[in-house]
Amino acid sequence: GAGVSQSPSNKVTEKGKDVELRCDPISGHTALYWYRQSLGQGLEFLIYFQGNSAPDKSGLPSDRFSAERTGGSVSTLTIQRTQQEDSAVYLCASSPQAGETQYFGPGTRLLVL
Amino acid sequence: AQKVTQAQTEISVVEKEDVTLDCVYETRDTTYYLFWYKQPPSGELVFLIRRNSFDEQNEISGRYSWNFQKSTSSFNFTITASQVVDSAVYFCALTLTDDKIIFGKGTRLHILP
Repeated sequence: GAGVSQSPSNKVTEKGKDVELRCDPISGHTALYWYRQSLGQGLEFLIYFQGNSAPDKSGLPSDRFSAERTGGSVSTLTIQRTQQEDSAVYLCASSPQAGETQYFGPGTRLLVL
Repeated sequence: AQKVTQAQTEISVVEKEDVTLDCVYETRDTTYYLFWYKQPPSGELVFLIRRNSFDEQNEISGRYSWNFQKSTSSFNFTITASQVVDSAVYFCALTLTDDKIIFGKGTRLHILP
């Protein structure tokens, strides 16, 4: 079946603009996760959803970051007033239930000029 | 707090050699899951294995094998008869039953022809 998909695959934006990143999880997966990977770095947890609710928002770097999930499926990660340090690859993963194996999408590569 | 340490930042071996990637984890919980993911140059994270804390049996899958030892809090990964296609960044990770994944910083593996 189809894996996790993310769009756009690449995004270039100007500092100060808002961006929206989209994630389509594997059908039937109730848990959805967002991570950030900066150049040459490991993965940094941002937020996870169980269904439409986000029990753990501890990883969001600032109040410029927000995420939502609707219908227990698609999720969007929004970054407002982007800064250059937001440049990174944003990865989405889904799993059948929280705590189970996470399957990752290809990521969105964000470049803030 | 949970933590995953991959002390080897980068490893280079000649093709056909065996190589072991180390992973040491910290958690006070008795129920947890350990993972290994591979990130090839294409960037997409590929799931390799998931092991729960109650199963200390070693596992072998083709040229890959994993050694889980709770006594030393280690979950090491060995590639036998390495091949150039094994070149990638490998991440060890830890999750509790309903929480985010904690990733190590990764080990970059170079297999030289």
